Amino acid sequence: GAVVSQHPSRVICKSGTSVKIECRSLDFQATTMFWYRQFPKQSLMLMATSNEGSKATYEQGVEKDKFLINHASLTLSTLTVTSAHPEDSSFYICSARVYRAETQYFGPGTRLLVL
Amino acid sequence: GESVGLHLPTLSVQEGDNSIINCAYSNSASDYFIWYKQESGKGPQFIIDIRSNMDKRQGQRVTVLLNKTVKHLSLQIAATQPGDSAVYFCAEKSGGVNTGFQKLVFGTGTRLLVSP
Repeated sequence: GAVVSQHPSRVICKSGTSVKIECRSLDFQATTMFWYRQFPKQSLMLMATSNEGSKATYEQGVEKDKFLINHASLTLSTLTVTSAHPEDSSFYICSARVYRAETQYFGPGTRLLVL
Repeated sequence: GESVGLHLPTLSVQEGDNSIINCAYSNSASDYFIWYKQESGKGPQFIIDIRSNMDKRQGQRVTVLLNKTVKHLSLQIAATQPGDSAVYFCAEKSGGVNTGFQKLVFGTGTRLLVSP
């Protein structure tokens, strides 16, 4: 149990375009989902926390207008990278958690390459 | 605060050895800690967790030790296997008392290389 999926696993896009990444909890209802970014040989950096049905809370330094997060249901959250640039190229990972539970379950990640 | 590592420390061991991976955490108020394993190109995988009211917790081939006095966490892997090769992250839970808004802060990570 506790499986989180992400789609797509890899995406290549042109600079200036937008990319949407989906995160789904497959066998549980996730009241809270988290989006992380990871650069090569670095740790996971939290970008934002989203609770189902409410606006996401962004970490300091993360542009909310550039990284749009939607958590419309208990099993789906989306991250849209708007007007992507090469510096946005990274590994994006989501995680999900049941309300008041402590364990977070991570998705397999999405590799984004912006040309 | 958040930890960002420019260079991943590496631990190299032989198959069958015991491995010990260390982690220093920053927030003395953190009350929950997790170890994750991340293989190349994949998301983190939960290994074991421990609450701050415990000093030790054992799983299958893994043991986590918590020393709150010096804010230190360690992961011990017994009889290390080539399949254990990965990057290991510790994470601490921080945030307000409302668990719905608490978040995990990740350490810099340690790369474990297991030679056959």
